[in-house]
Amino acid sequence: AQKVTQAQTEISVVEKEDVTLDCVYETRDTTYYLFWYKQPPSGELVFLIRRNSFDEQNEISGRYSWNFQKSTSSFNFTITASQVVDSAVYFCALSESKSPNAGGTSYGKLTFGQGTILTVHP
Amino acid sequence: ETGVTQTPRHLVMGMTNKKSLKCEQHLGHNAMYWYKQSAKKPLELMFVYNFKEQTENNSVPSRFSPECPNSSHLFLHLHTLQPEDSALYLCASSQDRGPRDEQYFGPGTRLTVT
Repeated sequence: AQKVTQAQTEISVVEKEDVTLDCVYETRDTTYYLFWYKQPPSGELVFLIRRNSFDEQNEISGRYSWNFQKSTSSFNFTITASQVVDSAVYFCALSESKSPNAGGTSYGKLTFGQGTILTVHP
Repeated sequence: ETGVTQTPRHLVMGMTNKKSLKCEQHLGHNAMYWYKQSAKKPLELMFVYNFKEQTENNSVPSRFSPECPNSSHLFLHLHTLQPEDSALYLCASSQDRGPRDEQYFGPGTRLTVT
């Protein structure tokens, strides 16, 4: 069964610090997708990034960067020069692609980690 | 309006009440989802609809009854709930039901059962 672990329950930093949110996953599928979502106080989860299991290139988008390492089953998220507006709960999620016809039981289901509460102080 | 909207944003109901949560997506997506988010628990998938047909029911108690009249609207009918059902209920949609389709979420309904 698939599983996502975000070991950091809460992180507190001061503005302009860099912060890395850890995500470790478990899956038996060879093809899968990893996601990061941000949940600000308003409640809705905001999609940040999707990465497929065959693409291990790191990605950078502004102050955000993601480090996907298949060898350690990790998909970590770094915010550079954090800002108060980055304060939110961040979720890592996994979606398997093995179809039900092939014996897959989690096709298209998003399995979320517990989330990491990030607080950025001014 | 754009994105995924949910009403009401907050709901307090007694255990004997009947109420409904509404979700509407303006993205032209084919799949819609209900999730439950409780304190200190991961998001729990409740129901999935694809092209108005229910494709997933994650062993949800019958006091929760979903309805999807069309691809843009999703309801969650509630009756005789328990206090442990108090949670944030999130609706989401995606283009299709595939594993690579990112889901877009509404702001949620904060439900309190007294």
